[in-house]
Amino acid sequence: DAGVIQSPRHEVTEMGQEVTLRCKPISGHDYLFWYRQTMMRGLELLIYFNNNVPIDDSGMPEDRFSAKMPNASFSTLKIQPSEPRDSAVYFCASSFGGGRGDTQYFGPGTRLTVL
Amino acid sequence: AQKITQTQPGMFVQEKEAVTLDCTYDTSDPSYGLFWYKQPSSGEMIFLIYQGSYDQQNATEGRYSLNFQKARKSANLVISASQLGDSAMYFCAMREMGNKLVFGAGTILRVKS
Repeated sequence: DAGVIQSPRHEVTEMGQEVTLRCKPISGHDYLFWYRQTMMRGLELLIYFNNNVPIDDSGMPEDRFSAKMPNASFSTLKIQPSEPRDSAVYFCASSFGGGRGDTQYFGPGTRLTVL
Repeated sequence: AQKITQTQPGMFVQEKEAVTLDCTYDTSDPSYGLFWYKQPSSGEMIFLIYQGSYDQQNATEGRYSLNFQKARKSANLVISASQLGDSAMYFCAMREMGNKLVFGAGTILRVKS
């Protein structure tokens, strides 16, 4: 079975540019999560969706960040305009169910560098 | 306050030996889940093992086992018969109500040949 798919795997952009990260969750999973990993802050949850509906976006750092899930098999995380401090690895994860024991499976991540 | 504490920034273990990675957690929720993930140098996050707060038995998955001590709020990962491929960063995580998975800072494990 295909796991969580993310694209691109690497993105290098210049400050001020728009960046769009993409994610395809595991088929049949009804929860989708976006995380950011940095050396300073570790792994942080940015936002998550249930059945394509955003449930909690309290981790989104500021208005420059937005996320959408137009259907069950696709989600985007957009940063506009990007800043050097947005440089990080962004992970998408999905799970079947939102219970405490439901495992989240992670994609390979997108390494974003903002110059 | 830290919800997940991993006190060992780095660990070394000899190949074929067992190693324990420590994790303590803080929660007032009686129902929670504890997870361990492995992150090799390639960067992906790999799920290893899960323990539920009401589980009576310690979880095991192949060479991985979880030493769950509920009263002490600890959930240590034990890797038996270490292999060179076990060298990676290991994260402990907890999921309470609200579906958020909270991660510890991680422990880097290096397996020596």
